[in-house]
Amino acid sequence: GENVGLHLPTLSVQEGDNSIINCAYSNSASDYFIWYKQESGKGPQFIIDIRSNMDKRQGQRVTVLLNKTVKHLSLQIAATQPGDSAVYFCAENRSRNAGGTSYGKLTFGQGTILTVHP
Amino acid sequence: EPEVTQTPSHQVTQMGQEVILRCVPISNHLYFYWYRQILGQKVEFLVSFYNNEISEKSEIFDDQFSVERPDGSNFTLKIRSTKLEDSAMYFCASSELSFNGELFFGEGSRLTVL
Repeated sequence: GENVGLHLPTLSVQEGDNSIINCAYSNSASDYFIWYKQESGKGPQFIIDIRSNMDKRQGQRVTVLLNKTVKHLSLQIAATQPGDSAVYFCAENRSRNAGGTSYGKLTFGQGTILTVHP
Repeated sequence: EPEVTQTPSHQVTQMGQEVILRCVPISNHLYFYWYRQILGQKVEFLVSFYNNEISEKSEIFDDQFSVERPDGSNFTLKIRSTKLEDSAMYFCASSELSFNGELFFGEGSRLTVL
Protein backbone atom coordinates (compact mmCIF):
# COMPACT_ATOMS: atom_id res chain seq x y z
CA GLY A 1 0.00 0.00 0.00
CA GLU A 2 0.96 3.65 -0.02
CA ASN A 3 3.01 4.93 2.86
CA VAL A 4 4.59 8.30 3.12
CA GLY A 5 5.98 9.03 6.54
CA LEU A 6 8.46 11.08 8.48
CA HIS A 7 11.39 10.02 10.62
CA LEU A 8 11.19 12.85 13.17
CA PRO A 9 7.99 14.31 14.55
CA THR A 10 9.65 17.42 16.06
CA LEU A 11 12.68 19.51 15.27
CA SER A 12 13.95 22.47 17.29
CA VAL A 13 16.64 24.74 15.92
CA GLN A 14 18.19 28.10 16.66
CA GLU A 15 17.57 31.03 14.38
CA GLY A 16 20.18 31.09 11.67
CA ASP A 17 20.86 27.38 11.75
CA ASN A 18 20.11 25.12 8.84
CA SER A 19 17.20 22.69 9.23
CA ILE A 20 16.79 19.30 7.65
CA ILE A 21 13.43 17.56 7.62
CA ASN A 22 13.23 13.99 6.41
CA CYS A 23 10.57 11.87 4.80
CA ALA A 24 10.43 8.23 3.74
CA TYR A 25 8.10 6.76 1.18
CA SER A 26 7.43 3.16 0.34
CA ASN A 27 5.82 3.26 -3.08
CA SER A 28 8.44 2.99 -5.81
CA ALA A 29 5.80 4.09 -8.35
CA SER A 30 5.73 7.56 -6.80
CA ASP A 31 7.08 10.03 -9.31
CA TYR A 32 6.33 13.42 -7.87
CA PHE A 33 7.00 14.80 -4.41
CA ILE A 34 6.03 18.02 -2.73
CA TRP A 35 6.83 19.74 0.52
CA TYR A 36 4.12 21.75 2.22
CA LYS A 37 4.27 24.10 5.18
CA GLN A 38 1.29 24.44 7.46
CA GLU A 39 1.10 27.25 9.95
CA SER A 40 -1.33 27.09 12.83
CA GLY A 41 -4.90 27.56 11.69
CA LYS A 42 -4.02 27.71 8.02
CA GLY A 43 -4.08 25.40 5.05
CA PRO A 44 -0.99 23.71 3.60
CA GLN A 45 1.23 26.06 1.63
CA PHE A 46 3.36 24.79 -1.23
CA ILE A 47 7.10 25.12 -0.66
CA ILE A 48 8.89 23.15 -3.32
CA ASP A 49 8.43 20.08 -5.47
CA ILE A 50 10.60 17.56 -7.26
CA ARG A 51 9.99 14.96 -9.92
CA SER A 52 11.48 11.51 -9.83
CA ASN A 53 13.79 12.23 -12.75
CA MET A 54 15.69 14.67 -10.53
CA ASP A 55 17.62 14.20 -7.31
CA LYS A 56 17.93 17.79 -6.21
CA ARG A 57 16.02 20.99 -6.63
CA GLN A 58 16.68 24.37 -5.09
CA GLY A 59 14.41 27.24 -4.26
CA GLN A 60 14.79 30.33 -2.20
CA ARG A 61 16.50 29.16 1.02
CA VAL A 62 15.10 25.67 0.49
CA THR A 63 16.50 22.58 -1.16
CA VAL A 64 14.77 19.27 -1.71
CA LEU A 65 16.79 16.11 -2.14
CA LEU A 66 15.39 12.87 -3.48
CA ASN A 67 17.09 9.53 -3.07
CA LYS A 68 15.08 7.00 -5.02
CA THR A 69 17.38 4.15 -4.10
CA VAL A 70 16.34 4.31 -0.46
CA LYS A 71 13.01 6.06 -1.08
CA HIS A 72 13.97 9.09 0.95
CA LEU A 73 13.12 12.75 0.60
CA SER A 74 14.50 15.66 2.56
CA LEU A 75 13.85 19.36 2.87
CA GLN A 76 16.72 21.61 3.78
CA ILE A 77 16.01 25.13 5.00
CA ALA A 78 18.98 27.46 5.09
CA ALA A 79 19.35 30.15 7.74
CA THR A 80 16.14 29.15 9.47
CA GLN A 81 14.03 32.02 10.74
CA PRO A 82 11.31 32.17 13.42
CA GLY A 83 8.79 32.60 10.63
CA ASP A 84 9.72 29.13 9.40
CA SER A 85 8.18 27.61 12.52
CA ALA A 86 5.35 25.39 11.30
CA VAL A 87 4.42 21.81 10.54
CA TYR A 88 6.09 20.50 7.41
CA PHE A 89 4.52 17.75 5.36
CA CYS A 90 5.92 15.77 2.52
CA ALA A 91 3.41 14.55 -0.02
CA GLU A 92 3.57 12.08 -2.86
CA ASN A 93 1.73 11.82 -6.11
CA ARG A 94 1.73 9.30 -8.88
CA SER A 95 1.01 10.07 -12.49
CA ARG A 96 -2.12 8.32 -13.64
CA ASN A 97 -1.20 7.86 -17.25
CA ALA A 98 1.73 7.82 -19.59
CA GLY A 99 1.26 11.49 -20.30
CA GLY A 100 2.00 12.30 -16.71
CA THR A 101 -1.40 13.74 -15.96
CA SER A 102 -2.49 13.33 -12.42
CA TYR A 103 -5.49 14.62 -10.61
CA GLY A 104 -3.99 16.04 -7.50
CA LYS A 105 -4.43 13.00 -5.28
CA LEU A 106 -1.67 13.68 -2.85
CA THR A 107 -0.67 11.27 -0.13
CA PHE A 108 0.62 13.24 2.82
CA GLY A 109 3.05 12.19 5.48
CA GLN A 110 2.43 12.69 9.19
CA GLY A 111 4.24 16.01 9.48
CA THR A 112 7.24 17.37 11.36
CA ILE A 113 6.87 20.23 13.77
CA LEU A 114 9.69 22.72 13.24
CA THR A 115 10.30 25.19 16.04
CA VAL A 116 12.82 27.97 15.51
CA HIS A 117 14.11 29.69 18.63
CA PRO A 118 15.27 33.31 18.35
CA GLU B 1 -2.61 37.38 -4.81
CA PRO B 2 -5.54 35.12 -5.72
CA GLU B 3 -6.56 32.66 -3.06
CA VAL B 4 -8.98 29.87 -2.31
CA THR B 5 -11.65 30.96 0.13
CA GLN B 6 -13.75 28.71 2.32
CA THR B 7 -16.87 29.18 4.40
CA PRO B 8 -17.75 28.69 7.14
CA SER B 9 -14.51 28.81 9.06
CA HIS B 10 -16.08 26.74 11.82
CA GLN B 11 -19.34 24.83 11.96
CA VAL B 12 -20.77 22.93 14.87
CA THR B 13 -23.52 20.44 14.11
CA GLN B 14 -25.45 17.63 15.69
CA MET B 15 -24.80 14.06 14.63
CA GLY B 16 -27.10 13.08 11.78
CA GLN B 17 -27.46 16.60 10.41
CA GLU B 18 -26.52 17.61 6.89
CA VAL B 19 -23.61 19.96 6.40
CA ILE B 20 -22.51 21.91 3.34
CA LEU B 21 -19.02 23.37 3.20
CA ARG B 22 -18.39 25.98 0.58
CA CYS B 23 -15.31 26.92 -1.38
CA VAL B 24 -14.50 29.51 -3.99
CA PRO B 25 -11.49 28.23 -5.96
CA ILE B 26 -9.08 30.51 -7.77
CA SER B 27 -10.94 31.83 -10.79
CA ASN B 28 -8.84 30.43 -13.65
CA HIS B 29 -8.33 27.04 -12.04
CA LEU B 30 -9.97 23.99 -13.54
CA TYR B 31 -9.22 21.26 -11.01
CA PHE B 32 -10.79 21.22 -7.56
CA TYR B 33 -10.19 19.08 -4.52
CA TRP B 34 -11.34 18.39 -1.01
CA TYR B 35 -8.99 17.12 1.66
CA ARG B 36 -9.56 16.68 5.36
CA GLN B 37 -7.36 16.66 8.43
CA ILE B 38 -8.48 15.12 11.66
CA LEU B 39 -6.93 16.94 14.60
CA GLY B 40 -3.30 15.97 15.03
CA GLN B 41 -3.28 13.70 12.00
CA LYS B 42 -2.13 13.98 8.44
CA VAL B 43 -3.98 15.59 5.60
CA GLU B 44 -6.08 13.04 3.68
CA PHE B 45 -7.37 13.20 0.12
CA LEU B 46 -11.13 12.99 -0.28
CA VAL B 47 -12.00 13.80 -3.87
CA SER B 48 -10.88 15.53 -7.04
CA PHE B 49 -13.24 17.20 -9.49
CA TYR B 50 -12.78 18.29 -13.08
CA ASN B 51 -15.10 19.19 -15.91
CA ASN B 52 -18.15 18.89 -13.66
CA GLU B 53 -17.46 15.38 -12.56
CA ILE B 54 -15.49 13.49 -9.97
CA SER B 55 -12.08 12.47 -11.27
CA GLU B 56 -11.02 10.39 -8.33
CA LYS B 57 -12.17 9.72 -4.80
CA SER B 58 -10.78 7.99 -1.75
CA GLU B 59 -12.35 5.27 0.35
CA ILE B 60 -13.27 7.95 2.87
CA PHE B 61 -15.55 9.57 0.31
CA ASP B 62 -18.51 7.24 0.71
CA ASP B 63 -22.18 7.69 -0.17
CA GLN B 64 -22.60 10.24 2.62
CA PHE B 65 -20.36 12.67 0.77
CA SER B 66 -21.06 14.56 -2.40
CA VAL B 67 -19.52 17.46 -4.27
CA GLU B 68 -21.05 19.97 -6.57
CA ARG B 69 -20.15 23.00 -8.59
CA PRO B 70 -23.52 24.73 -8.60
CA ASP B 71 -22.37 27.81 -10.48
CA GLY B 72 -19.25 29.21 -12.07
CA SER B 73 -17.52 30.05 -8.83
CA ASN B 74 -18.54 27.81 -5.94
CA PHE B 75 -17.44 24.27 -5.16
CA THR B 76 -19.27 22.55 -2.33
CA LEU B 77 -18.82 19.49 -0.17
CA LYS B 78 -21.96 18.03 1.34
CA ILE B 79 -22.10 15.50 4.13
CA ARG B 80 -25.63 14.11 4.27
CA SER B 81 -25.77 12.65 7.76
CA THR B 82 -22.79 13.63 9.85
CA LYS B 83 -21.08 11.24 12.21
CA LEU B 84 -18.85 12.01 15.15
CA GLU B 85 -15.84 10.83 13.18
CA ASP B 86 -16.51 13.43 10.50
CA SER B 87 -15.16 16.06 12.88
CA ALA B 88 -12.12 17.45 11.14
CA MET B 89 -10.68 20.39 9.26
CA TYR B 90 -11.80 20.27 5.64
CA PHE B 91 -9.55 21.89 3.08
CA CYS B 92 -10.55 22.88 -0.41
CA ALA B 93 -7.82 23.19 -3.02
CA SER B 94 -7.57 24.07 -6.67
CA SER B 95 -5.01 23.85 -9.42
CA GLU B 96 -4.71 25.59 -12.74
CA LEU B 97 -4.31 22.75 -15.19
CA SER B 98 -3.91 19.03 -15.10
CA PHE B 99 -1.89 18.58 -12.01
CA ASN B 100 1.59 19.81 -12.71
CA GLY B 101 2.66 21.11 -9.40
CA GLU B 102 0.99 23.45 -7.10
CA LEU B 103 -2.26 22.87 -5.33
CA PHE B 104 -3.52 26.03 -3.70
CA PHE B 105 -5.25 25.28 -0.43
CA GLY B 106 -7.84 27.33 1.39
CA GLU B 107 -7.59 28.01 5.09
CA GLY B 108 -10.05 25.27 5.90
CA SER B 109 -13.44 24.79 7.47
CA ARG B 110 -13.46 23.22 10.88
CA LEU B 111 -16.37 20.84 11.37
CA THR B 112 -17.32 19.75 14.85
CA VAL B 113 -19.96 17.04 15.15
CA LEU B 114 -21.56 16.65 18.56
